[in-house]
Amino acid sequence: SQQGEEDPQALSIQEGENATMNCSYKTSINNLQWYRQNSGRGLVHLILIRSNEREKHSGRLRVTLDTSKKSSSLLITASRAADTASYFCATDPSSGSARQLTFGSGTQLTVLP
Amino acid sequence: DGGITQSPKYLFRKEGQNVTLSCEQNLNHDAMYWYRQDPGQGLRLIYYSQIVNDFQKGDIAEGYSVSREKKESFPLTVTSAQKNPTAFYLCASRAFATEAFFGQGTRLTVV
Repeated sequence: SQQGEEDPQALSIQEGENATMNCSYKTSINNLQWYRQNSGRGLVHLILIRSNEREKHSGRLRVTLDTSKKSSSLLITASRAADTASYFCATDPSSGSARQLTFGSGTQLTVLP
Repeated sequence: DGGITQSPKYLFRKEGQNVTLSCEQNLNHDAMYWYRQDPGQGLRLIYYSQIVNDFQKGDIAEGYSVSREKKESFPLTVTSAQKNPTAFYLCASRAFATEAFFGQGTRLTVV
């Protein structure tokens, strides 16, 4: 079963615009992670936010976490054509199989030049 | 350079054959994972291992087997019991409660 579900499934924007992707999950987490995947490649880690954090920034990325709603969002500001990729959230549960890292279905982002 | 290496990049399997995908890491990570990705889909967990000589089934373990004899290595065997093995396979490793590092993937095709 997929723990995280991203929304929207696909997003197409113009270069320079902001892109927002959302992730919802079901169980208690230790942390939530966002990854990027270029077509046919492995995933690359972008940012990790712990359960006691509400917001985190890294360059043009901003991640928020609302544990009461079991949701997170990833904002990419001033998007570039090179940001075109699939973006996934992954949840690290706080109990049970504590090292089972579970991924969502992803958001396909297309940035048009 | 520290990292995680998957091989081969492309693999072709005949009907009824077992094939083994290699995954090696030199990051000194305890946990290792195998995921399957179908076109346009997310990652589904096949098996994971938290420590040498121990591993657990993920959501789609049927038709797959693994071993963890060394901390650095976590090979995945796709057996003949896996009826639809054509997919992109990703291996990852990580330390406890940290981010995962991924290999570049193996694309398996049944011919």
